Amino acid sequence: GNSVTQMEGPVTLSEEAFLTINCTYTATGYPSLFWYVQYPGEGLQLLLKATKADDKGSNKGFEATYRKETTSFHLEKGSVQVSDSAVYFCALREGTALIFGKGTTLSVSS
Amino acid sequence: EAGVAQSPRYKIIEKRQSVAFWCNPISGHATLYWYQQILGQGPKLLIQFQNNGVVDDSQLPKDRFSAERLKGVDSTLKIQPAKLEDSAVYLCASSLDRWQNYGYTFGSGTRLTVV
Repeated sequence: GNSVTQMEGPVTLSEEAFLTINCTYTATGYPSLFWYVQYPGEGLQLLLKATKADDKGSNKGFEATYRKETTSFHLEKGSVQVSDSAVYFCALREGTALIFGKGTTLSVSS
Repeated sequence: EAGVAQSPRYKIIEKRQSVAFWCNPISGHATLYWYQQILGQGPKLLIQFQNNGVVDDSQLPKDRFSAERLKGVDSTLKIQPAKLEDSAVYLCASSLDRWQNYGYTFGSGTRLTVV
């Protein structure tokens, strides 16, 4: 079946460092891909999405490009802030629901 | 716009007891989902409603879990009897349509601990 694999966390960075969180997927066809973020004590929020190959999703300085050749959707940000500390989930759409990865915890220190 | 409301926020019960969770989706959202998030894992879909009809409940353990969506608005998820492995955060989400063209909106979840 379809699945999503994320890099293990936690990821610990200093403020203004470059961020990459790896995400690869296994799926039949080319499903829509998503990144969700969960801040402490809050629900999951949609961060960005891409609906077809080579699409780039972006939001709040974060970017991810849908790469069908490598079945990847890596999340990147050029300069992280303390406020970016959260758990990040990669997901793909299967039918009318979402399949999530296990999540990657990001901790940014000043 | 009000978000997805869930209650209670936390619940601790003993195994073999029953428990119920409540969700009020965003007004006008036809599609409602219940997800289970076990510590250290991503959310897993339990059941999906379209208005007051069930679209997908293939991963719902029907011997102990049940869910309903009254009049296509509020929803309740029940576990009876609870097991230790049911300890998790139960997330409710809603969307305008089944194809999430506008994304999901998640509630803050109910954290269940079974002891």
